[in-house]
Amino acid sequence: QVQLVESGGGVVQPGRSLRLSCAASISMFNTYGMHWVRQAPGKGLEWVATISYDGSTKYYVESVKGRFTISRDNSKNTLYLQMNSLRAEDTAVYYCFLRNFYDSLRRAFDLWGQGTMVTVSS
Amino acid sequence: DIQMTQSPSSLSASVGDRVTITCRASQGIRNDLGWYQQIPGKAPKRLIYGASNLQSGVPSRFSGSGSGTEFTLTISSLQPEDFATYYCLQHNSYPRTFGQGTKVEIK
Repeated sequence: QVQLVESGGGVVQPGRSLRLSCAASISMFNTYGMHWVRQAPGKGLEWVATISYDGSTKYYVESVKGRFTISRDNSKNTLYLQMNSLRAEDTAVYYCFLRNFYDSLRRAFDLWGQGTMVTVSS
Repeated sequence: DIQMTQSPSSLSASVGDRVTITCRASQGIRNDLGWYQQIPGKAPKRLIYGASNLQSGVPSRFSGSGSGTEFTLTISSLQPEDFATYYCLQHNSYPRTFGQGTKVEIK
């Protein structure tokens, strides 16, 4: 079944670290750019980071630059988000996201994980 | 950075109503825009890609239009399952940016 499954969320104190994982059950994972998107409680969607298909290019929203690192292991079909120096304002549901996955008929679909909650609180 | 201004932030409508939601980009983004629907507690789901192309499997009552800086999502006849929050997303440049969202509620 084609799916993305996040893990690694939880409750963490301010200043601490957490690593999120996103396991992709898709073929040709190593040909797709991947994204992390978050949603604070009761708020809208916010794009967080993007990594190119081979991991060579990365982009971040300004508020996480220098603190978060997106990475991937194509041998494991897994996307990561290393989050350091966490702040209360990082509290959110984090989704991994593939904007255009192509099926066998070359139709493009978006794929989202179910989301993993990160709570930063003392 | 490209700002996406979405309006209205919320609206109340009845089943069968025609609903229009607008996203305005702070600079031209060609047609590099998608529309997403999010039901509470669920991940978003794309309805429209390339500003005006209906995602496979999405009902034809949804349509998108626009190019450059002005974009519109229209629901031609609102159904009970359409009560949700809608977002636009520009993928023309980084940082990617979402509109603030439009919550469609039952009147």
